[in-house]
Order: sequence, then C-alpha cells, then structure tokens
Amino acid sequence: NAGVTQTPKFRVLKTGQSMTLLCAQDMNHEYMYWYRQDPGMGLRLIHYSVGEGTTAKGEVPDGYNVSRLKKQNFLLGLESAAPSQTSVYFCASSSRGDNEQFFGPGTRLTVL
Amino acid sequence: AQSVSQHNHHVILSEAASLELGCNYSYGGTVNLFWYVQYPGQHLQLLLKYFSGDPLVKGIKGFEAEFIKSKFSFNLRKPSVQWSDTAEYFCAVNGDNYGQNFVFGPGTRLSVLP
Repeated sequence: NAGVTQTPKFRVLKTGQSMTLLCAQDMNHEYMYWYRQDPGMGLRLIHYSVGEGTTAKGEVPDGYNVSRLKKQNFLLGLESAAPSQTSVYFCASSSRGDNEQFFGPGTRLTVL
Repeated sequence: AQSVSQHNHHVILSEAASLELGCNYSYGGTVNLFWYVQYPGQHLQLLLKYFSGDPLVKGIKGFEAEFIKSKFSFNLRKPSVQWSDTAEYFCAVNGDNYGQNFVFGPGTRLSVLP
C-alpha cells in the first residue's frame, strides 16, 4: 500500500496563477483533509471531507477550493495564487473523524 | 475557540538526557489526544494516542505521554533521547464537539546533540 500520496512535491507559481494539488489514498478511508503548515503555527485545517461528494470548510478556507469526486482522491485548488499562500501543504486521511490521521509527504508551494 | 499550546518552541538536549514536552489544550469536554512526530524532510507520523482508559500511554520508539485531565495536559516524555529523535513534535486534540476536526499545536522542535 502506498498510503497517502501527493502530487506535485514542489511547485513555484506567480501571483494570480492557478493550480490543483492532488491527494490520493489507498486505505479506503472516508475522511480526508487538507492542511497548510507554516513556521511557528503548526498545521491549520483548510478544508476536509467526510465522504465522497462532500466537502466542508476548516479553519483557513479562503482562497482555496476542494473537490472529492472519488473516495480515494481529494483535490485542493488555488484559483488565483497569492504570496500568502506560500506554504507546505499536507493531505491526510482517516477511517473516522476522531481517529488517527495518516499524512502524505507534503507539497512545498512558493508563490512569487 | 479550542486551542492547543505547546510550552517550548525549540528544545536542545544532549544524547541520553531526559525529555518532557508540554502540551495543554483549552477544551473541557471529552477529548482524544495525539502526539505526532515530523522527522526532517518527512511527513507527520503518529507517535501515540489517548482515547480512554489508562492515562499513561506508551507509544513507539520509547515515547510515552500522560493525560492529566485536571490540568488539561498531555505531556510527552522519553527517559533517554537519541540523536535520531531530532524532529518536530506536534500535539493534537480532537474534542467531542470538534466534529471531524483536529486542532494541532504549533509544534516543538527538538534538537539532540550527539
């Protein structure tokens, strides 16, 4: 099992450009999450999903959109990137909302 | 709003020293508690978790944590650290009214000197 995978691993964008980050999990988990990690701030939840076809906002959703068209995939979109979105993005999944989350390797995004 | 605090931003220890990393949370209801570790350049991995029962929880690699409900704390301990324990450590809390959300602490960076 690959667990949780993320693509791409690195990306550099110019302000105003758009991109999509892909998260895939092969553990048949219902719940999936997108976090951003910034120095000194831990992980902050952007959006999450409790099942295929559902999404919900987390702590810092502005500027991001998500989709969960298939149970195994959770996409994070930036429609118009801003320098404030420079961060490391982690995807995670879990079998239940209160259970251990399994994390992907992260995507390092730089917005110039 | 619920929050998680970690006492130290950066801890520097020599090998064989004992470790205690503090974690406090602000929610008064039922909680599930977690410690995750992030080794340099890697993703977060679960060290240990507490759901219920014995408040002293043992995890991987010799780590343990104690849940003290009256102090809203879940401190991480290891009696003798190794250089390979150099990493960032995150405390996380899931409360019974959090829904599907975890709240992570800001992290503590541990540097172990050989």
